[in-house]
Amino acid sequence: DAGVTQSPTHLIKTRGQQVTLRCSPISGHKSVSWYQQVLGQGPQFIFQYYEKEERGRGNFPDRFSARQFPNYSSELNVNALLLGDSALYLCASSLGGSGNQPQHFGDGTRLSIL
Amino acid sequence: AQTVTQSQPEMSVQEAETVTLSCTYDTSESDYYLFWYKQPPSRQMILVIRQEAYKQQNATENRFSVNFQKAAKSFSLKISDSQLGDAAMYFCAYRPYSGGGADGLTFGKGTHLIIQP
Repeated sequence: DAGVTQSPTHLIKTRGQQVTLRCSPISGHKSVSWYQQVLGQGPQFIFQYYEKEERGRGNFPDRFSARQFPNYSSELNVNALLLGDSALYLCASSLGGSGNQPQHFGDGTRLSIL
Repeated sequence: AQTVTQSQPEMSVQEAETVTLSCTYDTSESDYYLFWYKQPPSRQMILVIRQEAYKQQNATENRFSVNFQKAAKSFSLKISDSQLGDAAMYFCAYRPYSGGGADGLTFGKGTHLIIQP
């Protein structure tokens, strides 16, 4: 079975632009979470979606938004990009939305802001 | 807010030896989950082991085991018979039981594990 897939692998943008990152969960998984991992740090939680509804949000500005589609895939959108948004963006999927469900991560999208 | 602290930025161990990675956390919750994830240079975060706070028995997965001390809020990872493939960044993570998992995982800053052949 395919794992969590993310696209694109790498992306280069300039300040002020907008970006959309995509994630396909493991088949049968209904929950998707997004994390930002700045170089040298652990991942930070951005959003969790379950059954197409936002279930949780981390401490990120409104420039960050996301959605989940009927097939449970998800998109993360970031507007008005800042240099500080340069990071590895990780998507994780789990069967359900409860806390004991292990999260399975994709390889991430490396976003560089010039 | 919950915090997770990994005080060892880097650890080095000889192949076939045993190494212990430290993790402490701060929470006011009584029920929660703790995890160790491994991130090799390939970037993918891989679940190594998990522990439910209500379970007194320490979790084990083959060569990996944890020492969970709830009162001390400590959750260390022991890797026995270290192998070259164990070289990676190791992250300790916390997730509260309350909120139905909506809070996401809180990660520490990681420990870079080096395996010396």
